[in-house]
Amino acid sequence: AQKITQTQPGMFVQEKEAVTLDCTYDTSDPSYGLFWYKQPSSGEMIFLIYQGSYDQQNATEGRYSLNFQKARKSANLVISASQLGDSAMYFCAMRGPTGNQFYFGTGTSLTVIP
Amino acid sequence: NAGVTQTPKFQVLKTGQSMTLQCAQDMNHEYMSWYRQDPGMGLRLIHYSVGAGITDQGEVPNGYNVSRSTTEDFPLRLLSAAPSQTSVYFCASSPRRVNGELFFGEGSRLTVL
Repeated sequence: AQKITQTQPGMFVQEKEAVTLDCTYDTSDPSYGLFWYKQPSSGEMIFLIYQGSYDQQNATEGRYSLNFQKARKSANLVISASQLGDSAMYFCAMRGPTGNQFYFGTGTSLTVIP
Repeated sequence: NAGVTQTPKFQVLKTGQSMTLQCAQDMNHEYMSWYRQDPGMGLRLIHYSVGAGITDQGEVPNGYNVSRSTTEDFPLRLLSAAPSQTSVYFCASSPRRVNGELFFGEGSRLTVL
């Protein structure tokens, strides 16, 4: 069963604007972790941000924030003040309580327009 | 700062050939894993290991073997390559805990003719 759903194959955003990338997940475990990764055209995977299921506050890392809505099982990534260098694929991922398996979504391709 | 090292970066095989993708990490991580990335399908877990001598299957294990004889190394073997195994392969490691982020290698692009 698919664990992570990213419904936006491609997104465009104007430079300096904010953009939200959607992610929903499916799990019955009370303990889990949610991650976002960036993959630029060069191919490497870059960790951006983490949210734990028990965290009361939304995670933030610089221009990245995670809009965590536990009841809706969503973990959307918000990028503020978009830059040209933000153009990349973005993957949402979830890790279960045993830490044994990571599940990745299919990704969203973000293009920042000057 | 070696992190996760994958070799080779590029490989072309003929159908039926065998090969091994090497992966090594120097962060003393318990957890290591192999993913394949195909267009439109995200990253799919092939095999993973939670420690030396312990391996398990992920979502797409068929056609691949792994072993974990040391904490550092986690090679992925293709015994008889098929065109369907043309993909980009990533090795990744992490501490084995729910908040442990995955550290990725640079990826290996494999083409099977």
